[in-house]
Amino acid sequence: GQSLEQPSEVTAVEGAIVQINCTYQTSGFYGLSWYQQHDGGAPTFLSYNALDGLEETGRFSSFLSRSDSYGYLLLQELQMKDSASYFCAVRERAGTALIFGKGTTLSVSS
Amino acid sequence: EAGVTQFPSHSVIEKGQTVTLRCDPISGHDNLYWYRRVMGKEIKFLLHFVKESKQDESGMPNNRFLAERTGGTYSTLKVQPAELEDSGVYFCASSQARSSYNEQFFGPGTRLTVL
Repeated sequence: GQSLEQPSEVTAVEGAIVQINCTYQTSGFYGLSWYQQHDGGAPTFLSYNALDGLEETGRFSSFLSRSDSYGYLLLQELQMKDSASYFCAVRERAGTALIFGKGTTLSVSS
Repeated sequence: EAGVTQFPSHSVIEKGQTVTLRCDPISGHDNLYWYRRVMGKEIKFLLHFVKESKQDESGMPNNRFLAERTGGTYSTLKVQPAELEDSGVYFCASSQARSSYNEQFFGPGTRLTVL
């Protein structure tokens, strides 16, 4: 079957660094994506990894290890506005739909 | 550039009634996806259009759900008759060509409540 596991909740303070892990088990693998969702609104694309290694986009970085079926999203210099739900998602083949994890709720406090 | 839009934003209906959700993808996006998130669970795939053709409808829960994409532009998702377990948030997403990775852009969703 298909499954993506990520922690349900993470808490941190402003200015801190937090890492959200994701392990996946799928029949195929074309890439791992991360999405952010505020208050049940539209999920917004954050990053994508198709190859092993680290991708950096501003304060956010994403890592992938295909041999371990594992990835993480790293958020640095946390701000209150980063409080949201974060979803990892796998695409099994090019152009196909995303398979989502259940999401991690990040709460950032001052 | 306008994003993905969905209508209505909320819908409250009684069990047994019919509801039609609409999605307008980003102009020029051939791929259109429908997803659903039931309370407390993950976002789950329903079906995928490439232009007006159904590419994959393996996620459709049963034959009470009917999706169309006339002319390869906007899409509708009809639930008839609605059941209590159909309650949730229905998201639409669109993306460009499938030959290489292109991010999926999500709409704000339609929150469906079946009473």
